[in-house]
Amino acid sequence: QSVLTQPPSASGTPGQRVTISCSGSSSNIGSNTVNWYQQLPGTAPKLLIYSNNQRPSGVPDRFSGSKSGTSASLAISGLQSEDEADYYCAAWDDSLNGKVFGGGTKLTVL
Amino acid sequence: QVQLVQSGAEVKKPGASVKVSCKASGYTFTSYDINWVRQATGQGLEWMGWMNPNSGNTGYAQKFQGRVTMTRNTSISTAYMELSSLRSEDTAVYYCARALWGYYDSSGYTDWFDPWGQGTLVTVSS
Repeated sequence: QSVLTQPPSASGTPGQRVTISCSGSSSNIGSNTVNWYQQLPGTAPKLLIYSNNQRPSGVPDRFSGSKSGTSASLAISGLQSEDEADYYCAAWDDSLNGKVFGGGTKLTVL
Repeated sequence: QVQLVQSGAEVKKPGASVKVSCKASGYTFTSYDINWVRQATGQGLEWMGWMNPNSGNTGYAQKFQGRVTMTRNTSISTAYMELSSLRSEDTAVYYCARALWGYYDSSGYTDWFDPWGQGTLVTVSS
């Protein structure tokens, strides 16, 4: 049982816009910033969004992040087949004094 | 380029220990914390702890307290994660990751992991 809650799966067709939610509490998302990681099949996770809504260089602007209260969201617009991957949210938890991850969302491009 | 290269796969028996290495290159090793995250097959990411390569200070997830030790050798820019009293549930891919920022600011605690090592598969089996 992960501290941050994500839907286990999401899907969309090429060109569509999809969003993935991440729900937490006052001790994690409510107090600290959220990061998103993309994990392509058989590879290590890769930083996608940091500090709630910042994109590292090289990440397409099709990817965007937002946070409100104790929840965060990752939006992917103009969906492409190469976006098919697992997506994880993460935040620091002040009560646990550690980093917590969501359970991951498997994105399928139909 | 900034890179973390981990040691190869390991097979261990229950009760044994494993030590995974993570060699950094392309940046000043002592300037950024190293975190360890593991992932069991088909499962999500699980944070294990952090280490400051400059001071050697560490912080471990409660779940692993007493079983995990994170160390470093600054002369070869390498971080290590040792997990003891292995059980079958410890079978997983173990990742190291560089942590950037790592401060409390107006937005709360902010850090992010970039890059990650390629992962090391540890299999615990009798």
